[in-house]
Amino acid sequence: EDKVVQSPLSLVVHEGDTVTLNCSYEVTNFRSLLWYKQEKKAPTFLFMLTSSGIEKKSGRLSSILDKKELFSILNITATQTGDSAIYLCAVDPGNNNDMRFGAGTRLTVKP
Amino acid sequence: NAGVTQTPKFQVLKTGQSMTLQCAQDMNHEYMSWYRQDPGMGLRLIHYSVGAGITDQGEVPNGYNVSRSTTEDFPLRLLSAAPSQTSVYFCASSYVAGTEQYFGPGTRLTVT
Repeated sequence: EDKVVQSPLSLVVHEGDTVTLNCSYEVTNFRSLLWYKQEKKAPTFLFMLTSSGIEKKSGRLSSILDKKELFSILNITATQTGDSAIYLCAVDPGNNNDMRFGAGTRLTVKP
Repeated sequence: NAGVTQTPKFQVLKTGQSMTLQCAQDMNHEYMSWYRQDPGMGLRLIHYSVGAGITDQGEVPNGYNVSRSTTEDFPLRLLSAAPSQTSVYFCASSYVAGTEQYFGPGTRLTVT
């Protein structure tokens, strides 16, 4: 059965800290992995990863994929209170066009 | 562009009632999907469509129907509401499966 597991489930840090969020997966025929940020409402897209070892970066956020070890990490440096959100990882298992989401990591950044 | 729109934003149903959640996108995306989000469980796929006239079941399809008569619209029907269907529902679209999805604002449904 296709599975996506995120860790930790929740995390509390202080402004300025660096955090690493994890996403591991077991899927039939991997095609892509996507990260989303969800604040109060709908998820918004952060990164899409398809190739191993290539870092995607946007400002203080970066992500990398390891297809051999079947995981991805999302790094946030110099965290700000505006980074407080649920971060979701989704994987395209490449079999039936469906997407599998992990349970998410709830990040709280305290001033 | 309005992006992905959903109606209604909130809905309260009694057990056994039926209703349709509306979803529309104006980006000419082929792939559309419906998710439900429950606390601690992330997003779970209910049904999806890879193009007009084509629909398929996701992870949790029981109690829901969909149709895709046009590229733009992808309504979700609850056939006979149950308290277990109390959730937040998101519609999403993307150019093709496995790429960046755009989400609607969500519908918070309560079944009593």
